[in-house]
Amino acid sequence: QVQIQQWGAGLLKPSETLSLTCTVYGGSFSGYLWSWIRQSPEKGLQWIGDINENGSTNDNPSLESRVTISIDTSKNQFSLNLGSVTAADTAVYYCARVRVWYQTGHMYPYYYRDVWGIGTTVTVSS
Amino acid sequence: DIQMTQSPASLSASVGDRVTLTCRASQDISNYLNWYQQRPGKAPKLLIYAASSFHSGVPSRFSGSGSGTHFTLTISSLQPEDFATYYCQQSFSTPPTFGGGTNVEI
Repeated sequence: QVQIQQWGAGLLKPSETLSLTCTVYGGSFSGYLWSWIRQSPEKGLQWIGDINENGSTNDNPSLESRVTISIDTSKNQFSLNLGSVTAADTAVYYCARVRVWYQTGHMYPYYYRDVWGIGTTVTVSS
Repeated sequence: DIQMTQSPASLSASVGDRVTLTCRASQDISNYLNWYQQRPGKAPKLLIYAASSFHSGVPSRFSGSGSGTHFTLTISSLQPEDFATYYCQQSFSTPPTFGGGTNVEI
């Protein structure tokens, strides 16, 4: 059974860089996208970005180019860096596996997050 | 960005009740709609994808329907473990966006 373990610093000061890493255990790393999502009372669940096994990324424009997502397939790991954090970046950060399903007769694939990490609480405070 | 609106924000129900949760999209998303369950302090858990397809292991009392801009998640007979918050999420366009959630409580 696939499990995702995540870790990283939970307390940051404004302007620092948030760094989180997820390791995938018990399943194939290839053939999926790997995703970062965060959750706060103010903004709810918010997609941060995705990466595929080749390192191609897609991230949320609302985060104003502060996001760097990377992948290390040799270690079954993917990572998130979020630069210049402020109090507005305080949230629970989740990593997740994204399944891509191509259904016959449909032009676009379906994407859904079927395995999630347990979440890391990140607080930004001076 | 596509806005996802869930209603009600909260509902009270009892074990054995049939409940229906609603999710509306700000534009046509066909059936590119996923449902997640989140219990307090836990990560979201996938229930339904493509509006009506069951994720592996999800009990049959959960069902999803809808297309276009209007979607529903129905729990046919509430069980104690179903008291949680439910989120819809569209995967029709980037960025994927989530609804604000419906909290199902006793």
